[in-house]
Amino acid sequence: DTEVTQTPKHLVMGMTNKKSLKCEQHMGHRAMYWYKQKAKKPPELMFVYSYEKLSINESVPSRFSPECPNSSLLNLHLHALQPEDSALYLCASSQVAVSYEQYFGPGTRLTVT
Amino acid sequence: LAKTTQPISMDSYEGQEVNITCSHNNIATNDYITWYQQFPSQGPRFIIQGYKTKVTNEVASLFIPADRKSSTLSLPRVSLSDTAVYYCLVGETGGFKTIFGAGTRLFVKA
Repeated sequence: DTEVTQTPKHLVMGMTNKKSLKCEQHMGHRAMYWYKQKAKKPPELMFVYSYEKLSINESVPSRFSPECPNSSLLNLHLHALQPEDSALYLCASSQVAVSYEQYFGPGTRLTVT
Repeated sequence: LAKTTQPISMDSYEGQEVNITCSHNNIATNDYITWYQQFPSQGPRFIIQGYKTKVTNEVASLFIPADRKSSTLSLPRVSLSDTAVYYCLVGETGGFKTIFGAGTRLFVKA
């Protein structure tokens, strides 16, 4: 199974809402990543988890809060977002961190109103 | 981190071979070269990775000259479904963060 799943596929939220994005993999990978991708731009790395510990935080605003409950799950908690945070949020995993052979999920399309 | 430079876009026709070149002049000794494909509104897909000379899999070939300052992704006999953005990344496992460059938008025409 080489699949990374993400839920939900689409999310619309107001600026005062709290929501969470979920990512799951069952490949036994020990590294998981969150990326943000704006339209017609490359993915930008946000966070890296290695062995369930946060190893890289790319100076992401605190309104984005990552969580890795176990080696298969990765969450991104969202609170008080701004319209400019609207984007495709991608989750990826790899055997170890930081690897250039990453497996990506389909993404969550987030719209902040 | 090695910076990569790729053409912004390329056009091709179905059935042709497409070669996309990536320049990485300051590649480090331990760096590998990795290529991803991304369709609209989908996550990138790992295509191929190499260190030197030539690597081939069922999807593509990767050519890396001896000085490793550039690499070429070769897609044999493209089809309309190969229309996508192709990203070249350079770095080593266990190293610093992954950075995606601007990528090359390949448009395959009938």
